Amino acid sequence: SAVISQKPSRDICQRGTSLTIQCQVDSQVTMMFWYRQQPGQSLTLIATANQGSEATYESGFVIDKFPISRPNLTFSTLTVSNMSPEDSSIYLCSVGTVYNEQFFGPGTRLTVL
Amino acid sequence: TQLLEQSPQFLSIQEGENLTVYCNSSSVFSSLQWYRQEPGEGPVLLVTVVTGGEVKKLKRLTFQFGDARKDSSLHITAAQPGDTGLYLCAGQGDSNYQLIWGAGTKLIIKP
Repeated sequence: SAVISQKPSRDICQRGTSLTIQCQVDSQVTMMFWYRQQPGQSLTLIATANQGSEATYESGFVIDKFPISRPNLTFSTLTVSNMSPEDSSIYLCSVGTVYNEQFFGPGTRLTVL
Repeated sequence: TQLLEQSPQFLSIQEGENLTVYCNSSSVFSSLQWYRQEPGEGPVLLVTVVTGGEVKKLKRLTFQFGDARKDSSLHITAAQPGDTGLYLCAGQGDSNYQLIWGAGTKLIIKP
């Protein structure tokens, strides 16, 4: 297993601004994932972040809106750019292991006014 | 496109009752995982099933993978209020790194 921390745990932001979410893992991992989740609903994969290469984005998500950094094997950031109220959600990072079993951070609850 | 249909989406029952949550697909999965998520936290892995027909038990929770590896079920015996949460199934899809997620089952156990 892996222990994952995220910062901030929650934030309230004004529309048009950007927020960077940090994800720190207690061990080196190859694959990190960023998800979005509405409370009580399932997960939507935003992108896969591999160290040393560009992130791979899922349909409906673009790099200009959700730039991702992966500077090393224990850390990644997701930026939500030019925010609108529609970006209000819970953002989760996770790491994958054998059978792609995933371990998640506690999430960042974002509210955009 | 691989899909996982999870049902029911919402279930509210009394403590002590039994329940079953289903995940079904027309596609074959190499493995299937079940997670539980509580408010304010990320999902936590409960179990991974890999072999068709496999049954795994975790205390009062019984997980089964269908013989054809297209479906799975989670059965809870004598549910407790501590079982309350969002249950998610996720299948290992065609891509070797991507999970296919079910819609989730919001479970409330009333004391």
